[in-house]
Amino acid sequence: AQSVTQLGSHVSVSEGALVLLRCNYSSSVPPYLFWYVQYPNQGLQLLLKYTSAATLVKGINGFEAEFKKSETSFHLTKPSAHMSDAAEYFCALRVDSSYKLIFGSGTRLLVRP
Amino acid sequence: DVKVTQSSRYLVKRTGEKVFLECVQDMDHENMFWYRQDPGLGLRLIYFSYDVKMKEKGDIPEGYSVSREKKERFSLILESASTNQTSMYLCASSRTQGAREQYFGPGTRLTVT
Repeated sequence: AQSVTQLGSHVSVSEGALVLLRCNYSSSVPPYLFWYVQYPNQGLQLLLKYTSAATLVKGINGFEAEFKKSETSFHLTKPSAHMSDAAEYFCALRVDSSYKLIFGSGTRLLVRP
Repeated sequence: DVKVTQSSRYLVKRTGEKVFLECVQDMDHENMFWYRQDPGLGLRLIYFSYDVKMKEKGDIPEGYSVSREKKERFSLILESASTNQTSMYLCASSRTQGAREQYFGPGTRLTVT
């Protein structure tokens, strides 16, 4: 069965520090993987997607993620955190032929001044 | 840019009322989805539709129904609202081709009193 695990329900970083949000997946077939961001009282916004074209994926707002098959991971990073990055982040997976996304439980990013 | 709009951002209804939540997308997407989001429970799929007049149950369809009479519009219906349906409701849409990433609306925060 497919699943997504996000390690750490809360991550706190200082402004200007590296952001690392962890996502591990389980899938018996090559997956499509996504990162979404949700600001308070808003819907989810797509940050980036992995479609097997390249293992390092660049997204909006300076975020990127690297697909590592050997580690079954798709961690999200940003070199330097901004206060505006404070939000909840969701990793999601889709396998071929399915319409549905499987979401992780989310990681809330706090950015300290 | 894909745009998914939802009829209300905030809604307050009484127990037993029939409630309609409307969602419209402007990108000619084949697939549309309704989720609810609750603290600690993440996103849970209620229903989805892969074509006009076609629908499939998601993970928590009980107490809900849906309607898709036109490609761009997907309605969620609470036949008799109950307090345990107080939640954030999110609509999303996606193409059938490619990665099928989902694009979300801003959400409707429904309170049932």
